[in-house]
Amino acid sequence: EDQVTQSPEALRLQEGESSSLNCSYTVSGLRGLFWYRQDPGKGPEFLFTLYSAGEEKEKERLKATLTKKESFLHITAPKPEDSATYLCAVQAGSQGNLIFGKGTKLSVKP
Amino acid sequence: GAVVSQHPSRVICKSGTSVKIECRSLDFQATTMFWYRQFPKQSLMLMATSNEGSKATYEQGVEKDKFLINHASLTLSTLTVTSAHPEDSSFYICSARDSFAQPQHFGDGTRLSIL
Repeated sequence: EDQVTQSPEALRLQEGESSSLNCSYTVSGLRGLFWYRQDPGKGPEFLFTLYSAGEEKEKERLKATLTKKESFLHITAPKPEDSATYLCAVQAGSQGNLIFGKGTKLSVKP
Repeated sequence: GAVVSQHPSRVICKSGTSVKIECRSLDFQATTMFWYRQFPKQSLMLMATSNEGSKATYEQGVEKDKFLINHASLTLSTLTVTSAHPEDSSFYICSARDSFAQPQHFGDGTRLSIL
């Protein structure tokens, strides 16, 4: 069964304290791995797509990496405005539907 | 670019009422649209997938007669929750993409509360 597991469930950081979020997955025939950011009461906002092991993408303080079993979202010197829930999803199947993890809720304190 | 607009953002209504939620892609053609349901501290659960001009494909356990989906154009999909009951209260989110290889872009969701 296709599955996505994110850890930790919640992460509290001080402003400027770098860290990483993990997304491990089991899927037959990975077509892509996606990272989204979701603010409370809002829909997910697209961040990155990764397609193959070894691929890396960067955007401001965020960097996403991919291996054959997991993906990491590295946050460098985070700011309070980076506080949000970060969702990981894998694309699989003939329809290319997304299977989401439960997310990591990130809180960055000033 | 890639903006998806979802309305209404919040609905409060009585049990037995039918509720329609609209999802529009504003600056791209949405070949495929998706409807999700999200419970607190849970992941997004896919309810159905719709391609423009075709019948929606529902996920296992989702009642197609209760959750009516219409995708009549390349920019608009609607979800109608028929005869809604308190257990249908949830956060409903739509998404759209223009091709298989592209990411899904999400609306801001609709908070549905059935009294």
